[in-house]
Amino acid sequence: AQSVTQLDSHVSVSEGTPVLLRCNYSSSYSPSLFWYVQHPNKGLQLLLKYTSAATLVKGINGFEAEFKKSETSFHLTKPSAHMSDAAEYFCVVSENYGGSQGNLIFGKGTKLSVKP
Amino acid sequence: ETGVTQTPRHLVMGMTNKKSLKCEQHLGHNAMYWYKQSAKKPLELMFVYSLEERVENNSVPSRFSPECPNSSHLFLHLHTLQPEDSALYLCASSQDRSWGFPGYTFGSGTRLTVV
Repeated sequence: AQSVTQLDSHVSVSEGTPVLLRCNYSSSYSPSLFWYVQHPNKGLQLLLKYTSAATLVKGINGFEAEFKKSETSFHLTKPSAHMSDAAEYFCVVSENYGGSQGNLIFGKGTKLSVKP
Repeated sequence: ETGVTQTPRHLVMGMTNKKSLKCEQHLGHNAMYWYKQSAKKPLELMFVYSLEERVENNSVPSRFSPECPNSSHLFLHLHTLQPEDSALYLCASSQDRSWGFPGYTFGSGTRLTVV
């Protein structure tokens, strides 16, 4: 069975400083990993995904994440935070087995605050 | 808009009411999902429809009844709900579930309050 743990429920950074949102996963099969962002009163938007190609994945809005199998991690980073990045971020895992994709399993979310 | 439209955006209902949530996608996807998002809890998968057939029901109480009349529409019928059912209900769709899966496209959700 797969699961995902977001290590911080809340992260606060200053505008222009780096962002690091941590995520660890467990999976019995080859995982696909995703980061979604949710702005207040909005649905979830896909930031980036890893599906067994390059381990460093670039997403929208300057975000990227690195898949590290040895550490079972998929941390999300951005070199310089912008005020518009303030939102809740979800790390998501699903398992690939027999060429088919399992359901998405969501972490509890990390709320990112950006101070001016 | 993401291509997945949910209506209404907000709904307040009494515990004896019957109401329905609607989800519509025009992305040509063939799988649709209902998720429940409660405060301080992970998103909970409720129902999965693939090719208009329900393929998963995650032990959801019978007061929630899904309906998928075609691949573009998904409903969640509600009756005799409890206050703890108050949450954001999110609909999502995807294009099958094969390798290279691109992820889900989510709607903006319906904020449900049960009084």
